[in-house]
Amino acid sequence: EVQLLESGGGLVQPGGSLRLSCAASGFTFSSYAMSWVRQAPGKGLEWVSAISGSGGSTYYADSVKGRLTISRDNSKNTLYLQMNSLRAEDTAVYYCAKPLYSSGWDAFDIWGQGTMVTVSS
Amino acid sequence: DIQMTQSPSTLSASVGDRVTITCRASQSINSWLAWYQQKPGKAPKLLIYKASSLESGVPSRFSGSGSGTEFTLTISSLQPDDFATYYCQQYNSFFTFGPGTKVDIK
Repeated sequence: EVQLLESGGGLVQPGGSLRLSCAASGFTFSSYAMSWVRQAPGKGLEWVSAISGSGGSTYYADSVKGRLTISRDNSKNTLYLQMNSLRAEDTAVYYCAKPLYSSGWDAFDIWGQGTMVTVSS
Repeated sequence: DIQMTQSPSTLSASVGDRVTITCRASQSINSWLAWYQQKPGKAPKLLIYKASSLESGVPSRFSGSGSGTEFTLTISSLQPDDFATYYCQQYNSFFTFGPGTKVDIK
């Protein structure tokens, strides 16, 4: 079964840091670009960041550029999101998502269950 | 950046109704458009990709159409399990989601 399992969320003070993980199973992880998508409480979906299958290329939404860093360890089938200089507006459920096909940008057919990040003093 | 809009933002309907949701892109995205269903506390679920392709396991009452800048999601006969929020997403250039359409009980 194809599965994504996020972890690492929690309560952090403004300006603090957090690292999210997403453990993948059931597919050839290194063949797929992967993304992080977030959803603030009661709000819509916002794409945050993506990384190529090799990890050599990374992409970010303007709202997080310079503060969040996506990475992956293909030997561990794990995706990461390092979150620094956190702001109240980063409070959200963070999902990792897998594209339907391995050829590049695509719709997301598999989502994790999400991990909640709360930025508050 | 490509912006996405959806209409209506909320839709009240009854079981058995035919429901249509519209999604518009700020520039042409060809057919690189997906539709998702999301229920409270759950991750989104892919329904339609490439504007009109039905994801495996999704009931055939869901259909998508359109290309360029205007797209529609149609539910031919609304079922109790379909009350949820629906999002469109473009993946022509990075990813952008629409603001969502909540389908609730009339």
